[in-house]
Amino acid sequence: DAGVIQSPRHEVTEMGQEVTLRCKPISGHDYLFWYRQTMMRGLELLIYFNNNVPIDDSGMPEDRFSAKMPNASFSTLKIQPSEPRDSAVYFCASSLGTSGGPDTQYFGPGTRLTVL
Amino acid sequence: GDSVTQMEGPVTLSEEAFLTINCTYTATGYPSLFWYVQYPGEGLQLLLKATKADDKGSNKGFEATYRKETTSFHLEKGSVQVSDSAVYFCALETSGSRLTFGEGTQLTVNP
Repeated sequence: DAGVIQSPRHEVTEMGQEVTLRCKPISGHDYLFWYRQTMMRGLELLIYFNNNVPIDDSGMPEDRFSAKMPNASFSTLKIQPSEPRDSAVYFCASSLGTSGGPDTQYFGPGTRLTVL
Repeated sequence: GDSVTQMEGPVTLSEEAFLTINCTYTATGYPSLFWYVQYPGEGLQLLLKATKADDKGSNKGFEATYRKETTSFHLEKGSVQVSDSAVYFCALETSGSRLTFGEGTQLTVNP
């Protein structure tokens, strides 16, 4: 299996621009998670989906952030407009659901976002 | 709310030294506990996990025991290698599917 695939791996943009991060989960996994990692705040869960439906978006910082999962093999995280404080590494993770909830989460390599 | 506290880093050891990275947690209910490892430029990888009290997770020579009485899940390895240099994250999961991570501990192993 190719694992969780994220694109782009690096993104540099200017303040005010729209940024779209993409994720392809592991085939067959029905949970998908978006995380943000910064030096100041560590790893934070932004939002997660189960069977393409958003379950918990309480970690999404503000209305500038939005996430979609139009089908089981693709998700996007969009920031519009972007700000310098959004600079971080964004990780996507997926897992297989069990009767007790999601199992082990498998992480993608991340997208390093720099907003100038 | 749920929280995880890890020992502050960075930790620097010589090859073949004994490693301990402390992790304590606060949680309602009965969480599952995890150690993840992040190598430079990569995403997190699950290293080991334990789902109930007194369980011991182990992988690649690393071990951690779920201690409910002390709310701890310390990571240990008897003899570290240069290739173990990475950032290690302790995490917990309670109902609701959310993983709560500690701050991460940078480990550097020198030859």
